[in-house]
Amino acid sequence: DQQVKQNSPSLSVQEGRISILNCDYTNSMFDYFLWYKKYPAEGPTFLISISSIKDKNEDGRFTVFLNKSAKHLSLHIVPSQPGDSAVYFCAAKRGSNYKLTFGKGTLLTVNP
Amino acid sequence: EAQVTQNPRYLITVTGKKLTVTCSQNMNHEYMSWYRQDPGLGLRQIYYSMNVEVTDKGDVPEGYKVSRKEKRNFPLILESPSPNQTSLYFCASSSAAMNTEAFFGQGTRLTVV
Repeated sequence: DQQVKQNSPSLSVQEGRISILNCDYTNSMFDYFLWYKKYPAEGPTFLISISSIKDKNEDGRFTVFLNKSAKHLSLHIVPSQPGDSAVYFCAAKRGSNYKLTFGKGTLLTVNP
Repeated sequence: EAQVTQNPRYLITVTGKKLTVTCSQNMNHEYMSWYRQDPGLGLRQIYYSMNVEVTDKGDVPEGYKVSRKEKRNFPLILESPSPNQTSLYFCASSSAAMNTEAFFGQGTRLTVV
């Protein structure tokens, strides 16, 4: 049973426009959510996170929104840049449990 | 510089030949884990360790072993590798504090022929 789902395997946007990556989860016990970015031949790197007590967290061009009632979160990148082209993974954890449960990832391509 | 170091980065081996992938972190993190990444399947946890001498199975532990004799090191052992273990492997570490991110190594591309 996949507890964290990223239903779009890929997304293509134009440079300067907004990129919106989506993630759904089924386990209502998850209370902390993270986004990771991964370039080819590199390990995933942490991008931004949000606690379940918030509905929005912003860091520069990156904003994560959390809708707990819908069990849905999204990552907004504005404006998108070619260097943002990478695979983005959504991950979730619960309480003091250190385990991260990952989605399958979304390949974002930002075209110049 | 805070980092998680895996070795080797690339490895081609034959079926049945025991191998070890090393992982070391310099952040004094309590929690370490191993993941494998396969096309269309994302990142799946193999094993994890809460601290020295404390390890447990993740979601896909079959065919793997781990040990945690020192806090900084968490090697992944494949006693008898098989072709279905051909994958991209990542080691990760995180602190025991609540709501912190995990740091990942650069990955090990393993091919079993």
